[in-house]
Amino acid sequence: GAVVSQHPSRVICKSGTSVKIECRSLDFQATTMFWYRQFPKQSLMLMATSNEGSKATYEQGVEKDKFLINHASLTLSTLTVTSAHPEDSSFYICSASGQGANYGYTFGSGTRLTVV
Amino acid sequence: EDQVTQSPEALRLQEGESSSLNCSYTVSGLRGLFWYRQDPGKGPEFLFTLYSAGEEKEKERLKATLTKKESFLHITAPKPEDSATYLCAVRANVNNDMRFGAGTRLTVKP
Repeated sequence: GAVVSQHPSRVICKSGTSVKIECRSLDFQATTMFWYRQFPKQSLMLMATSNEGSKATYEQGVEKDKFLINHASLTLSTLTVTSAHPEDSSFYICSASGQGANYGYTFGSGTRLTVV
Repeated sequence: EDQVTQSPEALRLQEGESSSLNCSYTVSGLRGLFWYRQDPGKGPEFLFTLYSAGEEKEKERLKATLTKKESFLHITAPKPEDSATYLCAVRANVNNDMRFGAGTRLTVKP
């Protein structure tokens, strides 16, 4: 149990376009979703935390207008990278917690974003 | 500021050669220390959570221990399939998020 599905696994987009990444909890209600970013050979850096039905809380230095997070239901959160630039190329990972899924237990499989 | 430091950065072992990975941390009130395995291009896979000094947990060839300042992930008689990056993370009282270390890249040669 406690599976998180993240899509797409890989995406290549042109500079200036927007990309949406989905994170779904398949068998539990995700009251809280976390979005992380990971650069090669570096640790995961928390970008934002979202509670279902509320606005996301962004970490210092993360542009909320660039990384739009929506958590409108208990099973789906989305991260939209708006007007993407090459420096936004990274590995994005979501994590979810809720009843049936303890904090820190479930992570998505990640999305490799490449902006060309 | 909460900090998590993992060492070594990379570790190469022969199959069957036991070793330990270190995770040193400074947090203002530990609410849990987490170990994960991460394969290339994948999200972290949960291994263990430790909550208090002296606690130990085991899973197959892995054993995690915790003191007030650090945690060790002991790997006994590793196999090539244990090759991965092992991440350590801490959850502190003040912040409800998780702080990750940079990881240890483990390679086990047959």
